[in-house]
Amino acid sequence: DSGVTQTPKHLITATGQRVTLRCSPRSGDLSVYWYQQSLDQGLQFLIQYYNGEERAKGNILERFSAQQFPDLHSELNLSSLELGDSALYFCASSVVSGQRTVGAGYTFGSGTRLTVV
Amino acid sequence: AQSVTQLGSHVSVSEGALVLLRCNYSSSVPPYLFWYVQYPNQGLQLLLKYTSAATLVKGINGFEAEFKKSETSFHLTKPSAHMSDAAEYFCAVSDSRGGSNYKLTFGKGTLLTVNP
Repeated sequence: DSGVTQTPKHLITATGQRVTLRCSPRSGDLSVYWYQQSLDQGLQFLIQYYNGEERAKGNILERFSAQQFPDLHSELNLSSLELGDSALYFCASSVVSGQRTVGAGYTFGSGTRLTVV
Repeated sequence: AQSVTQLGSHVSVSEGALVLLRCNYSSSVPPYLFWYVQYPNQGLQLLLKYTSAATLVKGINGFEAEFKKSETSFHLTKPSAHMSDAAEYFCAVSDSRGGSNYKLTFGKGTLLTVNP
C-alpha cells in the first residue's frame, strides 16, 4: 500500500455521462497530481493542486475538471464522456514544501480504470 | 524546461542477460532523476532516484543507475534479468528547487520483456 488511495478501482459508464474519481493523498503530502494513461498516448499529466490551489495544467480537456478540498483529498470530474476517454487515471502525491523534500518524488495510487462504452 | 527521452519503447532480453534501459534528460538547472516501474494493472512504484549525492544509485530488485552529467544520461541497468522484471519502466526528471510548483516530467516509458 503506497498510502495514496484512489476510488473506485474500476468504472464502466456510457458515452455522454459524467463521473468523479477520488484521490486521498499520502498523509502529510500537500500536492496532488492527476495523470491519464492510455495505450496510444502513454502517461499524460493532467493537472496539479497544491494545498487546495491549482498549480499547473497539462493536457487536460475542457470537459475535465478537478479540485482539492481542505482535507487535501482531490476529485477529478470527467463529463460528456467519449470512447476515447477510456484509460487508467492515476493520482500521485508529493510532500514537497521546501528544497529538502525535493528528492521525495511522487507516490502513486493504484489508479482508476475507466471504461466508456 | 525539462524533458526526458527514453530510447527504445520496447526492450527484449533473455532471462539472465544484462538489462540496459536508456534515459537522457534535458534540464536548465541541476536535476533530480528518478526511475519508476509499473507492473501490469498497477500504479507506478519508485525504483531508485538520484538527488545529487552519489552518482551511482542502487535501487530495489537489483537495479542501479548512473548519473553522467557530461552525457546528460541516467541509464538503468541490472546485471541479470529475471522473469519478474517484465514491466514498463519510466524515467523522470525534476528540478532541484522544490516549492509548490514542484513537478516531475516523465519519459514515454520502456516496456521490458524477459524471455525464458
